[in-house]
Amino acid sequence: GAGVSQSPSNKVTEKGKDVELRCDPISGHTALYWYRQSLGQGLEFLIYFQGNSAPDKSGLPSDRFSAERTGGSVSTLTIQRTQQEDSAVYLCASSLEEGAYTIYFGEGSWLTVV
Amino acid sequence: ELKVEQNPLFLSMQEGKNYTIYCNYSTTSDRLYWYRQDPGKSLESLFVLLSNGAVKQEGRLMASLDTKARLSTLHITAAVHDLSATYFCAVANFGNEKLTFGTGTRLTIIP
Repeated sequence: GAGVSQSPSNKVTEKGKDVELRCDPISGHTALYWYRQSLGQGLEFLIYFQGNSAPDKSGLPSDRFSAERTGGSVSTLTIQRTQQEDSAVYLCASSLEEGAYTIYFGEGSWLTVV
Repeated sequence: ELKVEQNPLFLSMQEGKNYTIYCNYSTTSDRLYWYRQDPGKSLESLFVLLSNGAVKQEGRLMASLDTKARLSTLHITAAVHDLSATYFCAVANFGNEKLTFGTGTRLTIIP
């Protein structure tokens, strides 16, 4: 597709369950980012992938959060043992490469933990 | 730690008026971004500013960057209702691709 694609668009899960969120970046984009947007915290950086380099995981809030990027394209963000405070919109973004290029955001995955 | 502040947080303005949103950041940065977000939607890229004195314009929006003052402005000229949205600035450095976002400015244009 033409833009960053994320799935699911909405997810309601019970506390304690694991969830997986998927991101398909724009074709050819080597840089991929995950951000989280919540009412109380604004927009927070989670993790960054660039090509084959080791990802920057400095924004992951706890060891319940992990992400991987297979084949330099699709990425999955996994949240284990979800908590209510994990409820947020999870935004994926991609850019052509690191540096000055425009960063394009997907529509987000709205996660609600009940 | 890089901090990014926007003001105002909320702005109501009449159609046809001009106004400016300010974005201050706390440490040296190489890039500054402006995004627009409509309710329930994702972030739409507006501008990327790379150097001191950079100015970019698109329609009724104009963004500028003063790296010495660590300040960017988003100027709205002759506002129209369609510009109602939340506007975010974000700052990054080369070699550190993490974007730090401002709190956002919720803009409402009143007919």
